[in-house]
Amino acid sequence: DADVTQTPRNRITKTGKRIMLECSQTKGHDRMYWYRQDPGLGLRLIYYSFDVKDINKGEISDGYSVSRQAQAKFSLSLESAIPNQTALYFCATSGEGIGVGLTKNIQYFGAGTRLSVL
Amino acid sequence: AQSVTQPDIHITVSEGASLELRCNYSYGATPYLFWYVQSPGQGLQLLLKYFSGDTLVQGIKGFEAEFKRSQSSFNLRKPSVHWSDAAEYFCAVGNQGGKLIFGQGTELSVKP
Repeated sequence: DADVTQTPRNRITKTGKRIMLECSQTKGHDRMYWYRQDPGLGLRLIYYSFDVKDINKGEISDGYSVSRQAQAKFSLSLESAIPNQTALYFCATSGEGIGVGLTKNIQYFGAGTRLSVL
Repeated sequence: AQSVTQPDIHITVSEGASLELRCNYSYGATPYLFWYVQSPGQGLQLLLKYFSGDTLVQGIKGFEAEFKRSQSSFNLRKPSVHWSDAAEYFCAVGNQGGKLIFGQGTELSVKP
């Protein structure tokens, strides 16, 4: 099973709809991140959370919100989707975790959610 | 402000040829540097990282990268490319705060 799981993997929605993307992890990490990927722009940070009570905006948070329901779960919401939010969305985790040699600066990524807003 | 530039959007190499992907960064202190690879339909996988010490770092799948402070570069190399190396490659810079800044990515195609 994947250590970082994103659901759904693909989603098509209409302009104005509310949509939630979910991320769960079994790595025991305390830090979680949401990115979006657009061709030619790389990955840009939307929101990040260093523990359950800590939520921070990234460089492109407008139009998005997040919820850290538990250490292992971090959801991204689009309150009213618009076409320019069509992108590939990635969740990532980092932290002390479980195991030898891990550091809080190494991020581990889910497989991504491809979102299309029509 | 921190930034990362990958000058080459797309590179094509022949199978068996050597590869170098360029990465330049802007960062005020000693950076943490990473290369990730994204295969089609997959998430990002860490290839290698530089935190400190030896400036030539070895990674998975036969890749290596060299940190050159004087040139603010962290170029990725592989002596002999395999068809399975076709993917998109991302360079990233981070700090002790744990956030990463990614470059725009370089798409690698491999000719038979």
